[in-house]
Amino acid sequence: TQLLEQSPQFLSIQEGENLTVYCNSSSVFSSLQWYRQEPGEGPVLLVTVVTGGEVKKLKRLTFQFGDARKDSSLHITAAQTGDTGLYLCASNFGNEKLTFGTGTRLTIIP
Amino acid sequence: DTAVSQTPKYLVTQMGNDKSIKCEQNLGHDTMYWYKQDSKKFLKIMFSYNNKELIINETVPNRFSPKSPDKAHLNLHINSLELGDSAVYFCASSRSARGGTETQYFGPGTRLLVL
Repeated sequence: TQLLEQSPQFLSIQEGENLTVYCNSSSVFSSLQWYRQEPGEGPVLLVTVVTGGEVKKLKRLTFQFGDARKDSSLHITAAQTGDTGLYLCASNFGNEKLTFGTGTRLTIIP
Repeated sequence: DTAVSQTPKYLVTQMGNDKSIKCEQNLGHDTMYWYKQDSKKFLKIMFSYNNKELIINETVPNRFSPKSPDKAHLNLHINSLELGDSAVYFCASSRSARGGTETQYFGPGTRLLVL
C-alpha cells in the first residue's frame, strides 16, 4: 500500500506570511496532483506535476516536484484568508486509482 | 451550471436503515468515482465506473452497492447502515480512467450521519 504523508498536519499563520507544506512517499510518483478543499466543498485540482525537478507557479502558489519524484512541496507567498482550506496531494503510482495524502489543514488568520 | 451534483447534501438516519445517494455529472465524462472522507479528512476511493462498467472496487463492505444506469449517473446504495458509515461521501468524475494525470471533478459531498 502506497502512503502519502503530508506535513504539517495543521498550520495556522497570519495573513501576509509565507508558508510551505510537504508531501512525501517511500514510492516513486508517476505524477502528482495538488488539490485544495474549502470547508463544505469538494476538492478542486490546483496543479499536476509529472517531471522530476519540475516547478509550476499558480499566482502566489509555487509547486515543486522532487528530483527523485518521491516528494513535492507547495509554497504560498503572502498568504491570504482565501487560501484557508485543506490541501491534499494525490498520486496514482502508475495505476488507475488515485491515492490521496493525509492532508494539511491551513488556516490564515486575518 | 453545476458540473458534478450530489443529492442529498445532508443525510441523518438511524442505524440499520437503507439509504441511497445520487450523483450526476454534466461534463460528458466517461469515468465516475465514489470517495469516502472520514472525520480526520482522509479521502479514500471506494468505487470507480468507466462507461458504466465497474473498474475499481476497493475493500468496501458489500452493504455498499454502486449502480451506474448511464455514463452521467453513479448512485450509491447502502444497506443496514452502521455508526462507522458516518462520513462525507464525494462523487467525482474525470474524462477518462487514466488516474493520476486526469483532472477529477468533485461534487459538493453528502454528509451522512448514522445515529
